[in-house]
Amino acid sequence: EVQLVQSGAEVKKPGESLKISCKGSGYSFTSYWIVWVRQMPGKGLEWMGIIYPGDSATRYSPSFQGQVTISVDKSISTAYLQWSSLKASDTAMYYCAREGQWLVRGFHFYGMDVWGQGTAVTVSS
Amino acid sequence: DIQMTQSPSSLSASVGDRITVTCRASQIINNYLNWYQQKPGKAPKLLIYAASILQSGVPSRFRGSGSGTDFTLTISSLQPEDFATYYCQQSYGTPRGTFGGGTKVEIK
Repeated sequence: EVQLVQSGAEVKKPGESLKISCKGSGYSFTSYWIVWVRQMPGKGLEWMGIIYPGDSATRYSPSFQGQVTISVDKSISTAYLQWSSLKASDTAMYYCAREGQWLVRGFHFYGMDVWGQGTAVTVSS
Repeated sequence: DIQMTQSPSSLSASVGDRITVTCRASQIINNYLNWYQQKPGKAPKLLIYAASILQSGVPSRFRGSGSGTDFTLTISSLQPEDFATYYCQQSYGTPRGTFGGGTKVEIK
């Protein structure tokens, strides 16, 4: 079964660091991009950034560039999202997702076809 | 950056109704458009990619259409399990990935 399993909920204080994880199984982990998505309480989905486990190539949304770091350890099929200094505004659910790819009429299309269960991060003093 | 605008932000409908959700991109994205369904407390689920292709296992009452900047998601006969929030997402820009604001489909 293709799946992504995320690490458990976290409660942190402002200024603390945090690294959450997303472990893939049931497919070739190094062949698909992994995306991180934020969902603040009661709000919509926000695309944060993406990493290719095969070569660690990484892209960030301008809104999240410099605010978080995305990394991967392909030897254990795990992607990470980390913060060096959390703020209360980082309180959210964070999802990782596999970016599936399809060839349609000669063009490559992408979409998030497998999702982790989410990691709830609460930052409060 | 490509901006995605969905409308309406919410709608009320009854079981059996036909509903339509629209999504507009701030620039031409050809048909690089995906639709997701999210139920409360759950991760999103991919419904449609490439604007109109149903992901495996998605019921045929879901239909996506459009190209360029304007797209629609239609549910032909709303079922109880379809009450959820729906998001569009572009996969054209670099970086690809912007979501629309979401459309919450509620029971009338």
